[in-house]
Amino acid sequence: DIQMTQSPSTLSASVGDRVTITCRASQSVSPWLAWYQQKAGKAPKLLISETSTLESGVPSRFSGSGSGTEFTLTISSLQSDDFATYYCQHHNSYPITLGQGTRLEIK
Amino acid sequence: QVLLVESGGGVVQPGTSLRLSCAASGFNFNNDGMHWVRQAPGKGLEWVATISNGGRDTYYAGSVRGRFTISRDNSKSTLFLQMDSLRPEDSAVYYCARGTMFDRQYFTYWGQGTLVTVSS
Repeated sequence: DIQMTQSPSTLSASVGDRVTITCRASQSVSPWLAWYQQKAGKAPKLLISETSTLESGVPSRFSGSGSGTEFTLTISSLQSDDFATYYCQHHNSYPITLGQGTRLEIK
Repeated sequence: QVLLVESGGGVVQPGTSLRLSCAASGFNFNNDGMHWVRQAPGKGLEWVATISNGGRDTYYAGSVRGRFTISRDNSKSTLFLQMDSLRPEDSAVYYCARGTMFDRQYFTYWGQGTLVTVSS
């Protein structure tokens, strides 16, 4: 199985900050990497698929990049609505696996 | 708009069975793969199972293989998860998720989830 590891597990930041979350796969999954946002008590929401394809309606301050085994989610200027938990997921093969999550909290 | 509504969760004893349903609307259900993803209280997301658009191909996480069965009724736009031999570690919110029409699957839309608690 492909293991997905996110770092950091928790990230403290302020409104307006630029933040980056990293996701590492135990083997190459490129370009089949997706990112989700989950707010407390809510269902997850797809942000990005295939490493860098922004879903319709997702603000352009979100971007994804990477290749091979290392990928990043960047939020260029944090807004109050962005404080949530973020998950990466490879969609290269089965079994599908997700990272453990990165909690983005207000500093 | 896309709507996924799960039902069938509840409190059950270890070793028993439960069947979850997910009613889909707002898209062509027949076109897309469908998934179940779960989240134990305070924990991360765990993929459980996938079924192809026609229902021919199914895939399972190792933790549920042989105990859970995913199925779909395209005539009723409904997804199912039959869960047998339930264990306490199966306790979680179970989300139904819409996939894609392609081989490589990710979760484009999610339902609000249904809570399953396995406890004696």
